[in-house]
Amino acid sequence: DSGVTQTPKHLITATGQRVTLRCSPRSGDLSVYWYQQSLDQGLQFLIQYYNGEERAKGNILERFSAQQFPDLHSELNLSSLELGDSALYFCASSVGRADTQYFGPGTRLTVL
Amino acid sequence: GENVEQHPSTLSVQEGDSAVIKCTYSDSASNYFPWYKQELGKRPQLIIDIRSNVGEKKDQRIAVTLNKTAKHFSLHITETQPEDSAVYFCAACTINAGNMLTFGGGTRLMVKP
Repeated sequence: DSGVTQTPKHLITATGQRVTLRCSPRSGDLSVYWYQQSLDQGLQFLIQYYNGEERAKGNILERFSAQQFPDLHSELNLSSLELGDSALYFCASSVGRADTQYFGPGTRLTVL
Repeated sequence: GENVEQHPSTLSVQEGDSAVIKCTYSDSASNYFPWYKQELGKRPQLIIDIRSNVGEKKDQRIAVTLNKTAKHFSLHITETQPEDSAVYFCAACTINAGNMLTFGGGTRLMVKP
């Protein structure tokens, strides 16, 4: 157990819908990262937050957005869902902006 | 941006043999190279990492080597055990420039008893 928690574990929804994935970092960690893992794209970095502020952005679609709250938990919002958005979404956390990242258990999103 | 290539994509070894997985990266500014092990349906789990000021690092049966000139790093697992069977991912990033990990495509390691 890495200490990073994610909810829900599984999410099944329909195309066009909107979902919110939640992540709580390890105690004391200020950075949160979101990654998407799909069969065809592998593990891809989406976005990083540090102490409430966006720090880095990767291949994140405009339909996706994220934020980190004052209690340091983070939410990833996915809207206008498409079949191709079906994937495992992982959150990771680290102490600072440039430290080892520890991954949460992931949320499996299925878009039907 | 950074690009990480990983080989082989699958690797089958007998229990007790050694396994080697190789990665190359493109961005000479990359200075942090972690390796993650992922079992089916589970989270990537950090097994070892190396920073660019070090050429080699060992942790029991696992070692990582880094060749900055060639932009190449490798994972070595000795005395493999069936529980080592999993998918292994290498990654690279530039610390203090976003810390975003760029992952290789993964290696499925199968250790036959």
